[in-house]
Parts: sequence; C-alpha cells; structure tokens
Amino acid sequence: EAQVTQNPRYLITVTGKKLTVTCSQNMNHEYMSWYRQDPGLGLRQIYYSMNVEVTDKGDVPEGYKVSRKEKRNFPLILESPSPNQTSLYFCASSLFSGVETQYFGPGTRLLVL
Amino acid sequence: DQQVKQNSPSLSVQEGRISILNCDYTNSMFDYFLWYKKYPAEGPTFLISISSIKDKNEDGRFTVFLNKSAKHLSLHIVPSQPGDSAVYFCAASDAGGTSYGKLTFGQGTILTVHP
Repeated sequence: EAQVTQNPRYLITVTGKKLTVTCSQNMNHEYMSWYRQDPGLGLRQIYYSMNVEVTDKGDVPEGYKVSRKEKRNFPLILESPSPNQTSLYFCASSLFSGVETQYFGPGTRLLVL
Repeated sequence: DQQVKQNSPSLSVQEGRISILNCDYTNSMFDYFLWYKKYPAEGPTFLISISSIKDKNEDGRFTVFLNKSAKHLSLHIVPSQPGDSAVYFCAASDAGGTSYGKLTFGQGTILTVHP
C-alpha cells in the first residue's frame, strides 16, 4: 500500500531534549516536505526536499533541522525543543516538486513542556 | 506576513446547495494553486489544482476559479454533501520560479454541510 508513515504519532517531551520525528514514503517520490499545523495559522511549511541531499527552507524553518540521505526518508530534528514548537506535524511527499498531488502522513502531535 | 489568506474561518451550508470557499493571495509570483481537504485525525488530501494560465478547472462536483487580477481564487462544491464537512486549505506556489518546491498555505476554512 502506497503511504507516508510518521513516527512517533504522539510525543510529550521537555524543553531542550533533542528529538527526531521520522518520515518514510514507499512511493519512490522525489519531493518530501514537513509542515506544522497550528490553530488560526493553518499549515506552514518547515522544510522541503526536492531530491536526495537537496533541502530548502519553507516559511518557518527556525528551530528545526532536516536531512535527506536516502530517497525514502526525511527525518525532522528538533535539536533543542521549546514550548512554541508544540504543534501537529505532517510529513508529505509527491512525485517531483510538490505542486503535484502531495500525499500526507497521519501526523505527529508534539507537546513540549 | 500571511501571503495566502482564507478570511472565512468557517462556512455552514445545507446539503444539496453550493459551497463557495474563498482564498486571497498577495504574492504576484504565485502561479500554481491547490486545494486540500482535511478530516480530523487525518493528514490533508489533495482535492484540485489550477495553473495561472487557466481561470477555471473542474473535477466532478469541485470547481476552482482563479481571478489573477484580483489575486483571488475560490472553490465551488456543487452539490454539497455531508461527507464534504472538513477543513479546506488553499495553497500557492511559485512553480515557475527558483523555489518552486515551496508551498504557502492559508489558515483553512471549516466547512459544515448540514443534512
């Protein structure tokens, strides 16, 4: 089954404790992206990747890191999480550039205390 | 600076009637627009898109209209069904530019379709 998976689905952590949210897709897509969803702000793009080893900033990259060492995986790293990073995070992938149909993962709900 | 705005947080319509969701943008470089639908506890799913070379795109009950001079797009759902109740996001991209993988989304509009 074609899908985007994210782990963990729920995470409670404390300020400053490094964490990684994994994202994997099995559709051989070139493009992958991370978003956060916050009430009243909608979806905001954090980082995106057009291909392996190619990543670019979205609208809200501060406090996040990403890497794309292989095509199927695109982990999101919070080196020192802060409470304002409490949010619902989505990973997505598409065939080439993001303007084709993007397939979203189920989301990761993060609470930073 | 919100470059894509959905000014109506919510919309309520009767089953069978038309739903019209609106979206405004400020960046004149945007040349590709998309609509996504999101149910609670799920990721968004793609609905329909339109390139700036067109002013209308239709897919079944869903039609997107683009007015470039007004920097405005709208999504029409006819007829509306209770299963259409969801959050709708519009998104825009400078697909012809150097950052064409960058997508900017609006805040979303909650559509409720009453039986």
